[in-house]
Amino acid sequence: DIQMTQSPASLSVSVGETVTITCRASENIYSNLAWYQQKQGKSPQLLVYAATNLADGVPSRFSGSGSGTQYSLKINSLQSEDFGSYYCQHFWGTPYTFGGGTKLEIK
Amino acid sequence: QIQLVQSGPELKKPGETVKISCKASGYTFTNYGMNWVKQAPGKGLKWMGWINTYTGEPTYADDFKGRFVFSLETSASTAYLQISNLKNEDMATYFCARLWDYDAYYFAMDYWGQGTSVTVSS
Repeated sequence: DIQMTQSPASLSVSVGETVTITCRASENIYSNLAWYQQKQGKSPQLLVYAATNLADGVPSRFSGSGSGTQYSLKINSLQSEDFGSYYCQHFWGTPYTFGGGTKLEIK
Repeated sequence: QIQLVQSGPELKKPGETVKISCKASGYTFTNYGMNWVKQAPGKGLKWMGWINTYTGEPTYADDFKGRFVFSLETSASTAYLQISNLKNEDMATYFCARLWDYDAYYFAMDYWGQGTSVTVSS
């Protein structure tokens, strides 16, 4: 099974800052990676698919990058509505494992 | 508009069985697979498996083989998750999520249900 190692586990940042969250796969997942945002008490929402493609309605301050085993989600100029938890998930064969999550908190 | 609407919260005793529904609307149900995801209190997301809504074939992650059953009522565009012999560690919120593919190669879960909370307590 492919393991997804996500870092950092938590991050305390201020509005307006830029953050990068990374996900490392235990083997090549050929960009078959998605990123999700989850706010407290809500369902996750798709942000990025195929490692670099923004889902419909996702603001352009979000961007995904990476290939092979290393992937990143970057958020430029953080807004108050961006705080919450973020998860990566691979789709290179089942089980479609999630990363452990990153909790983004207001400093 | 596309929606996945799940059944309401459940309170069960250890050893009992729970069945959660996920009703889809706004798209052709059998064109997209359905995933199930577990989130224990204060924890991250855990992929449980998915069911091919065209063939009815389920795929379970290793931790969810045995007591967990995915099923369908295609005529009602509804997917079900049944958990038998409930244990304390089954206490969680369970989400259904549509499996979408891009270029028939890349996948993602693009629509999610609102989640169903299952409490297990004697």
